[in-house]
Amino acid sequence: DVVMTQSPLSLPVTLGQPASISCRSSQSLVASNGNIYLHWFQQRPGQSPRRLIYQVSNRDSGVPDRFSGSGSGTDFTLKISWVEAEDVGVYYCMQGTHWPKTFGQGTKVEIK
Amino acid sequence: EVQLVESGGGLVQPGGSLRLSCTASGFIFSNYYMAWVRQAPGKGLEWVADLNLDASGKGYVDSVKGRFTISRDNAKASLYLQMNSLRAEDTAIYYCVRDPAWGAADIWGQGTMVSVSS
Repeated sequence: DVVMTQSPLSLPVTLGQPASISCRSSQSLVASNGNIYLHWFQQRPGQSPRRLIYQVSNRDSGVPDRFSGSGSGTDFTLKISWVEAEDVGVYYCMQGTHWPKTFGQGTKVEIK
Repeated sequence: EVQLVESGGGLVQPGGSLRLSCTASGFIFSNYYMAWVRQAPGKGLEWVADLNLDASGKGYVDSVKGRFTISRDNAKASLYLQMNSLRAEDTAIYYCVRDPAWGAADIWGQGTMVSVSS
């Protein structure tokens, strides 16, 4: 199975400051069609997960543009340009290129 | 409104069975792959099973192979998960998920809790 490794696992951030989460895969996420199926999800406390970004860098409708995704091959990053109170929660990367689909351990973002 | 609503969770003894259901609304159900994702208490997410448009192709994570069966009824816009030989480690919230392609789970249900305990 493809292992997804996120860091850090805990991320205390000051309101208004940037935050960055790394996600590394144990093998390349480039599919046979050339696409990369790496997605990011946010889970706010007490809520179901919500997709933020799909295929590395495509932001979902309604997701603030302070969220951005980047990366290639095995190394990916989710950036929050400035953190707001509503961003508190756990963030997961997930690969859909290989079966079984696998998630990272999650990164808990909290306000300092 | 696009929505997925799960039901069927509950408390069951080890070795028992449960059948989860998920009813979809607000979109053409038969046009989408569907999946079940679970989350053990205080833990991360695990993709459990998925199936293609006509249920001719199904995939299961190793830990549930031979015990769980995913199915769908496109006429009823419903997804199911039959869970047999349940174990304590199957205790989790089970989410029904719409998968437009390659795991890009864009719609999630509210989840249904399954507890396996004697």
